[in-house]
Amino acid sequence: KQEVTQIPAALSVPEGENLVLNCSFTDSAIYNLQWFRQDPGKGLTSLLLIQSSQREQTSGRLNASLDKSSGRSTLYIAASQPGDSATYLCAVHSGSARQLTFGSGTQLTVLP
Amino acid sequence: DTAVSQTPKYLVTQMGNDKSIKCEQNLGHDTMYWYKQDSKKFLKIMFSYNNKELIINETVPNRFSPKSPDKAHLNLHINSLELGDSAVYFCASSQGASTEQFFGPGTRLTVL
Repeated sequence: KQEVTQIPAALSVPEGENLVLNCSFTDSAIYNLQWFRQDPGKGLTSLLLIQSSQREQTSGRLNASLDKSSGRSTLYIAASQPGDSATYLCAVHSGSARQLTFGSGTQLTVLP
Repeated sequence: DTAVSQTPKYLVTQMGNDKSIKCEQNLGHDTMYWYKQDSKKFLKIMFSYNNKELIINETVPNRFSPKSPDKAHLNLHINSLELGDSAVYFCASSQGASTEQFFGPGTRLTVL
């Protein structure tokens, strides 16, 4: 059974800092990994999808890396801004049913 | 244009009642999902439909019954509501089973 862990559970940084969010998964036989952002009381916004054959994916100030063999992914946020404050969720597609298994998220606060 | 929409946004009801949540997507996707986010913010798959056919049915009480009248709609009907059903329910859609998923804004269900 796939399990996804995100560390740290919460992170507070001053504006302008570069930061890294971590995600690990137990079963490396994944199809892809997706990073989401969730704002309080809102739905999930897809940030990046990285296929199992890819090593990294970039979108603006975000860069996601994937090391499938070690069961790890990182989300790098450059030059953080207060508007980046949200919960960041990592999820992997795996299994015969190709279902998405989520981590418990990292709550990010960027202080002005 | 809203890609994935859900109604209602909030639902407050008494224990024992029956309620429905509706979901519609205008992305032309063939796969739709229901997720439950509990009080600890953990997201878990409940159901997945592909072309109106049930693909994933996780360990969910049979009081929960999804219904897909067409590819663009996936509704969730809940019978005999219990206190433990209080959560945020998210609908999502994708094209195919292990591609990028897009989420609706969520329905916050409170059972009193």
